[in-house]
Amino acid sequence: EDQVTQSPEALRLQEGESSSLNCSYTVSGLRGLFWYRQDPGKGPEFLFTLYSAGEEKEKERLKATLTKKESFLHITAPKPEDSATYLCAGSSFMNTGFQKLVFGTGTRLLVSP
Amino acid sequence: DVKVTQSSRYLVKRTGEKVFLECVQDMDHENMFWYRQDPGLGLRLIYFSYDVKMKEKGDIPEGYSVSREKKERFSLILESASTNQTSMYLCASRSRTDPDQYFGPGTRLTVT
Repeated sequence: EDQVTQSPEALRLQEGESSSLNCSYTVSGLRGLFWYRQDPGKGPEFLFTLYSAGEEKEKERLKATLTKKESFLHITAPKPEDSATYLCAGSSFMNTGFQKLVFGTGTRLLVSP
Repeated sequence: DVKVTQSSRYLVKRTGEKVFLECVQDMDHENMFWYRQDPGLGLRLIYFSYDVKMKEKGDIPEGYSVSREKKERFSLILESASTNQTSMYLCASRSRTDPDQYFGPGTRLTVT
């Protein structure tokens, strides 16, 4: 069964304290690894898609990387406004041949000033 | 920018009521999705639609149905709401040629 596991569940950082969030996956025939940011009471906001091992993408203080078994979201010198839940999802095929996203349960990040 | 809107942010219904949740996207996307999000369980796919009048079951379709009569609109229907359907419901859409899904703001449904 396809599965995506995120760790840690929650992370508390001081402003400027860099760290990484982990997403490990067992998705057969992975067609893409997605990262989303979700603020409380809102829908997920798309951040990155990674397609192959070794690929990296950056956006402001965030950098996502991908290996054959896991993905990392690196946060460099975070600010309080980076506080949110970060979701990871793997794309796989359903029996019907259509693609779907399999989500992890997220990492809640809190950055204190 | 892709815009996905949902008809209500908050909804309170009674057990046994029929509930309609509506989703509209403005980017001419072929594919639309309904998820529910619960603490500790993450987002789970209820149904999706790959074209007008076409639908496929997701992982947890029981107790739900969907309707897609127009390309931009995808409705989720709870035929007879139950308390275990209290949840955050999220709609998403994507182009057939681009795997990135774009989400609406969500509807927090409470069934009492």
